[in-house]
Amino acid sequence: DGGITQSPKYLFRKEGQNVTLSCEQNLNHDAMYWYRQDPGQGLRLIYYSQIVNDFQKGDIAEGYSVSREKKESFPLTVTSAQKNPTAFYLCASSSPFGGLWDGYTFGSGTRLTVV
Amino acid sequence: AQTVTQSQPEMSVQEAETVTLSCTYDTSENNYYLFWYKQPPSRQMILVIRQEAYKQQNATENRFSVNFQKAAKSFSLKISDSQLGDTAMYFCAFMKQGFGNEKLTFGTGTRLTIIP
Repeated sequence: DGGITQSPKYLFRKEGQNVTLSCEQNLNHDAMYWYRQDPGQGLRLIYYSQIVNDFQKGDIAEGYSVSREKKESFPLTVTSAQKNPTAFYLCASSSPFGGLWDGYTFGSGTRLTVV
Repeated sequence: AQTVTQSQPEMSVQEAETVTLSCTYDTSENNYYLFWYKQPPSRQMILVIRQEAYKQQNATENRFSVNFQKAAKSFSLKISDSQLGDTAMYFCAFMKQGFGNEKLTFGTGTRLTIIP
């Protein structure tokens, strides 16, 4: 079945470390997104990519980096510059082509905790 | 920039009753989509319903329906005959109409609890 796979489900990071969250999709979607979810703040956009080898900053990009070397993959690196990285991270993808368009397809998320 | 406001952080309702979740948005766009997403305790985001701004008819999906008031920039979700499985966070979201790969802007969510 087609979908989006995020790994790991839970991730623990020590202060000062960089960590990378994986997001892979087999939906042949052009666009991919990373959102951060905090209690009471909804989902906020970190980065998005509308095509391979191109990406744009979202609303809260500071302390994060991404790459889009393959259509299927959009990894997110949480750097040591991110002051408060503990959160739930959601990856999503979308494509305007191929019939009815229903917005985004979401992964199941990664819970990152700083220890 | 678009903003989406959900003014009800938490709501609860008895099973089988009807509940309405509120959402307002601010935009200068004329063509756009509006969505309601559900996030159950599993945290998987599930699309509940969507509305195209150019359509005057309110969208419905089984027990879920919306009241879309474009002039008032209001987009409420009504859940009829509520069920225990409806317990979840509900997010209202906005997307301007483009080529289908535009950004989604979310509200802060409403936590809905269905009481047995």
